[in-house]
Amino acid sequence: GENVEQHPSTLSVQEGDSAVIKCTYSDSASNYFPWYKQELGKRPQLIIDIRSNVGEKKDQRIAVTLNKTAKHFSLHITETQPEDSAVYFCAATISGTYKYIFGTGTRLKVLA
Amino acid sequence: NAGVTQTPKFQVLKTGQSMTLQCAQDMNHNSMYWYRQDPGMGLRLIYYSASEGTTDKGEVPNGYNVSRLNKREFSLRLESAAPSQTSVYFCASRTLSAPNEQFFGPGTRLTVL
Repeated sequence: GENVEQHPSTLSVQEGDSAVIKCTYSDSASNYFPWYKQELGKRPQLIIDIRSNVGEKKDQRIAVTLNKTAKHFSLHITETQPEDSAVYFCAATISGTYKYIFGTGTRLKVLA
Repeated sequence: NAGVTQTPKFQVLKTGQSMTLQCAQDMNHNSMYWYRQDPGMGLRLIYYSASEGTTDKGEVPNGYNVSRLNKREFSLRLESAAPSQTSVYFCASRTLSAPNEQFFGPGTRLTVL
């Protein structure tokens, strides 16, 4: 069945460094790719998303890139800060369908 | 506009007890979902409702039942709770058309003793 693989499962970076999290999806019909951030004890919340007709999207310190040919997309966080420490989930879905497949999450720790 | 709400926030059950988790959304979304989240295992889909009047099994449906009461409300029932159902449960909703974002409720932390 369809799945989304996410790597790494844990990531530690020094404050100010960059962090990259990668996801690979299996269903070539997927056309919407959101990233969620979940702080400890809180609900997942959308931080950035990208559609299949766009190769890259940026919002301040975070960016997402999409390679449709390779079926993978990545989250990039620059100038990391302690408040970036959280679990990040990628997901893939097809517009008009119920399917919404999540990756298994990456626990990011930003060391001060 | 409250978004997605869930009740209760916390619950402790004994093995064999039953309970219903409630979820409601006020965003006029078609689809609603129930997930469970266990440490290190991400979000696993229990049941979903693509639209009012329909429900379908997700990845881990055993031990659960659901009801899509109306467009706003989607409940999850544990008929005979087991310790393996100790988890954090999230309800979510989305519209099938763009922008496709899925909105989550605050979660219910359930412990089964």
